[in-house]
Amino acid sequence: RKEVEQDPGPFNVPEGATVAFNCTYSNSASQSFFWYRQDCRKEPKLLMSVYSSGNEDGRFTAQLNRASQYISLLIRDSKLSDSATYLCVVNNPSGTYKYIFGTGTRLKVLA
Amino acid sequence: DTGVSQDPRHKITKRGQNVTFRCDPISEHNRLYWYRQTLGQGPEFLTYFQNEAQLEKSRLLSDRFSAERPKGSFSTLEIQRTEQGDSAMYLCASSLGVAEETQYFGPGTRLLVL
Repeated sequence: RKEVEQDPGPFNVPEGATVAFNCTYSNSASQSFFWYRQDCRKEPKLLMSVYSSGNEDGRFTAQLNRASQYISLLIRDSKLSDSATYLCVVNNPSGTYKYIFGTGTRLKVLA
Repeated sequence: DTGVSQDPRHKITKRGQNVTFRCDPISEHNRLYWYRQTLGQGPEFLTYFQNEAQLEKSRLLSDRFSAERPKGSFSTLEIQRTEQGDSAMYLCASSLGVAEETQYFGPGTRLLVL
């Protein structure tokens, strides 16, 4: 079983739609969680950290469910510019702070 | 630009040659990481430095790979006797350390081994 699992997609959605991605992780001791966005042939860029209480940044909402070991990302009112790969990231709990990435979920927002 | 920088951005080499990549982290960032990313996959951890000390190496990092961070600032990643399977994007990231663990990535070095 992979340490971090995501549905690779692609998710093709019309502009204005709401789309949600889930990600599951296997290590219950994981401490920190993030969503990164990666455009084609570019580096990953931090979209948002994920906190236990859930957090929102504009059209983006992230939630963490420790009991079920999954995190989610909700994008409301999708824009064409949201088209990208969304990487789920878990911070290794062993103290080295390395990131463990999912394979990423591809999103394409259609006009 | 005060972000993470990497050089070169692209490298094409023949199988068996040695290559070296450089990463300059954000200044004052104590931690530096190397990752490798192949098509359709998320980045995979290779190695990590806290200042000049290399504290962890992935089993992905065979004996052909070596990384250094001699003065706790920039880092180099060398691949000896390259193989076609080494073709990938090599990403460097840095983080401030202490309580802040958000990692910031450089633009990557895209390696193609022919």
